[in-house]
Amino acid sequence: DSGVTQTPKHLITATGQRVTLRCSPRSGDLSVYWYQQSLDQGLQFLIQYYNGEERAKGNILERFSAQQFPDLHSELNLSSLELGDSALYFCASSVGQTLNTIYFGEGSWLTVV
Amino acid sequence: AQRVTQPEKLLSVFKGAPVELKCNYSYSGSPELFWYVQYSRQRLQLLLRHISRESIKGFTADLNKGETSFHLKKPFAQEEDSAMYYCFETSGSRLTFGEGTQLTVNP
Repeated sequence: DSGVTQTPKHLITATGQRVTLRCSPRSGDLSVYWYQQSLDQGLQFLIQYYNGEERAKGNILERFSAQQFPDLHSELNLSSLELGDSALYFCASSVGQTLNTIYFGEGSWLTVV
Repeated sequence: AQRVTQPEKLLSVFKGAPVELKCNYSYSGSPELFWYVQYSRQRLQLLLRHISRESIKGFTADLNKGETSFHLKKPFAQEEDSAMYYCFETSGSRLTFGEGTQLTVNP
């Protein structure tokens, strides 16, 4: 158990809908990262937050947004969903901003039908 | 731009054979390198961190700055080593995974 908790574990929704994925980092970790893992594109870094502030941005679509709350949990919002958004979404956390080991949650499986 | 390259998408070996999963990086400074393993689309688990110089599950990895490589090695592969392996580099502001190598260890 990495200590990173993600909910929901599985989610099936229709195209055009909006979903929110939630992540609780390990106790004491200030950084939260979101990754998308799809069959054809491997692991894609989406975004990182550190202590509530956006720290780094990767290949995140404009339809997606994220935030980190004062209690350090994070939410990834995916809107206007398309079939191609079906993927495994991982959250990870680390103590600092960079140069730290990051620990992954078990992921949220999103299926868009 | 910082890049991590894993040249082999698929690697298949027989049980008991040595295995080497290649990773090359392009960061020009002092890199911070890791190997992560993923079994059957479960969560990624930290396998090795280069500064700790540990051996986990029989795997080792040495940072070679001259060749800018961080290859993962195991002298005798086991069937339970079958998994996806990702090389990961966290220097600077980018967090870069390689594309991964799917290792299959055949009986």
